[in-house]
Amino acid sequence: SQQGEEDPQALSIQEGENATMNCSYKTSINNLQWYRQNSGRGLVHLILIRSNEREKHSGRLRVTLDTSKKSSSLLITASRAADTASYFCATVPRGTSYDKVIFGPGTSLSVIP
Amino acid sequence: EAGVAQSPRYKIIEKRQSVAFWCNPISGHATLYWYQQILGQGPKLLIQFQNNGVVDDSQLPKDRFSAERLKGVDSTLKIQPAKLEDSAVYLCASSIRRGQGVEQFFGPGTRLTVL
Repeated sequence: SQQGEEDPQALSIQEGENATMNCSYKTSINNLQWYRQNSGRGLVHLILIRSNEREKHSGRLRVTLDTSKKSSSLLITASRAADTASYFCATVPRGTSYDKVIFGPGTSLSVIP
Repeated sequence: EAGVAQSPRYKIIEKRQSVAFWCNPISGHATLYWYQQILGQGPKLLIQFQNNGVVDDSQLPKDRFSAERLKGVDSTLKIQPAKLEDSAVYLCASSIRRGQGVEQFFGPGTRLTVL
């Protein structure tokens, strides 16, 4: 079963604009991760945020985590055409003795040049 | 550092036939995952190995799917017999722990089409 749900399912923006994607999950987590998948290419890890962190930055990426609402957001600033991809949040549930990673259904982002 | 290798990249079979996928994880990664990704959906975990032992196969359709990881390194995933709904991309990943978190590295996947 999938733990996370991304919102929106699809997003289309102009190059240079910011893109925000949200993720909600159901159970307590150890950490939450965001991945990118380009058309025809594999999944690439973008950023990991631990359950005791509230915000994290990596280049043009900003991730927030609200454990009380069981939600996270991914902000991509100054988007580029190369950011066109599907973005997935993935959670590592608390209480598992192994590194189980559960993916949501993803947000498809289109950045129009 | 070499990435996760998978083969074949593409496979087309008839329903009821058998198929096998191979994965070579990044050297030194103890954990190996097989995911099924149906078009338009997120990856679904099929089976997870820690070294050569299975730690999670709760979503593996065991009547038709099997997987093994020999000597804690390479892994094979088999489907026998295949159904139309098995058409998907099969992703292999391996992982390492970074601080309190785990980072997965994915292979390019095998795109399976069942006719």
